[in-house]
Amino acid sequence: SAVISQKPSRDICQRGTSLTIQCQVDSQVTMMFWYRQQPGQSLTLIATANQGSEATYESGFVIDKFPISRPNLTFSTLTVSNMSPEDSSIYLCSVTATGGELFFGEGSRLTVL
Amino acid sequence: AQRVTQPEKLLSVFKGAPVELKCNYSYSGSPELFWYVQYSRQRLQLLLRHISRESIKGFTADLNKGETSFHLKKPFAQEEDSAMYYCALDNFGNEKLTFGTGTRLTIIP
Repeated sequence: SAVISQKPSRDICQRGTSLTIQCQVDSQVTMMFWYRQQPGQSLTLIATANQGSEATYESGFVIDKFPISRPNLTFSTLTVSNMSPEDSSIYLCSVTATGGELFFGEGSRLTVL
Repeated sequence: AQRVTQPEKLLSVFKGAPVELKCNYSYSGSPELFWYVQYSRQRLQLLLRHISRESIKGFTADLNKGETSFHLKKPFAQEEDSAMYYCALDNFGNEKLTFGTGTRLTIIP
């Protein structure tokens, strides 16, 4: 299994500012992912955080808006840049452990005013 | 494009009654399907995956390729089954999941 810690657990931000969310895993993992869950909607994959190289973004998501860092095999950050109210969501870090099971963090609930 | 459909946003079932949460998918290849569950104040966690063909907490799910369905079933609902359930599809085995919109299951005592 993998234990994932996300910070912050929640935040309220002003429009136009940026927020960085941290994801720490208790073991080295190859695959780390960032998902978004907008209010009343399902989880949508934002990107795969690659260690030592640029993140791989899904359709509809771009690096300028959601820059991601992955300095090592246990840590990643997701920044939500130039926020607007539409960015109000829960952002979830997830990792794949041995056996292929996907583990999730508790999520970071972001509210943009 | 891959898509996962969960037609019921809300489902209420009496304790002891059978439960069925529906999931349909569209996918061109050979799918790998999962059910994830989120209990109140807990993180999202894997409930079961079709390739392991096991029963977890009394739940089973059978992949029906003809009907493109992966419905989750339990013969006798328990109060602790109340939770949010998500069906998910693995895209091409690359561990990136496409999720359905989820079904909130409430078990009525």
